[in-house]
Amino acid sequence: GESVGLHLPTLSVQEGDNSIINCAYSNSASDYFIWYKQESGKGPQFIIDIRSNMDKRQGQRVTVLLNKTVKHLSLQIAATQPGDSAVYFCAERAGFQKLVFGTGTRLLVSP
Amino acid sequence: DSGVTQTPKHLITATGQRVTLRCSPRSGDLSVYWYQQSLDQGLQFLIQYYNGEERAKGNILERFSAQQFPDLHSELNLSSLELGDSALYFCASSASGAGIYEQYFGPGTRLTVT
Repeated sequence: GESVGLHLPTLSVQEGDNSIINCAYSNSASDYFIWYKQESGKGPQFIIDIRSNMDKRQGQRVTVLLNKTVKHLSLQIAATQPGDSAVYFCAERAGFQKLVFGTGTRLLVSP
Repeated sequence: DSGVTQTPKHLITATGQRVTLRCSPRSGDLSVYWYQQSLDQGLQFLIQYYNGEERAKGNILERFSAQQFPDLHSELNLSSLELGDSALYFCASSASGAGIYEQYFGPGTRLTVT
């Protein structure tokens, strides 16, 4: 069943395209950021993280970019697959172990 | 599978009632976090426990309480339930209460208050 809000920004891409999901964070003092993927009916799943002393971090098919000047985070997914369809959340660590989540972006991948 | 388990998966109850949600963290994880996810507010941090003690508090209502037991499982108690409490409740765990560690989420409990 549906597990997240109905009024999320949506990014629609074709299979094989590269996807870029953006996130603006609020706290300039945040020192740690995470991207989570949430499929329908499931809990958020860790994708990749980045510390504030880095600008870029790469994982398998995913890259996170951090621009502290404008408080912006992005998640790039290479060669997007139908299985990547989900809601993606960024989260910032605001205070001791407290994560603040963004509102999420729904990614729809068409075959 | 994250290794975090939550029970029950679904819960339907009436306004005014009290329910208990249960969470077992990943083996070895000392921290447990509770989150509420509703349609209009996204994921909201409620509370964190570390090795049995409350470590951080978020937007948790006074009608809600939690605890972490010696075996590290945690329970979230919701009382005097209102329609607006209907949501998904997630538990997450991490290796430590200090430093920077990713949180692993359970599958959630869907609470419906009628």
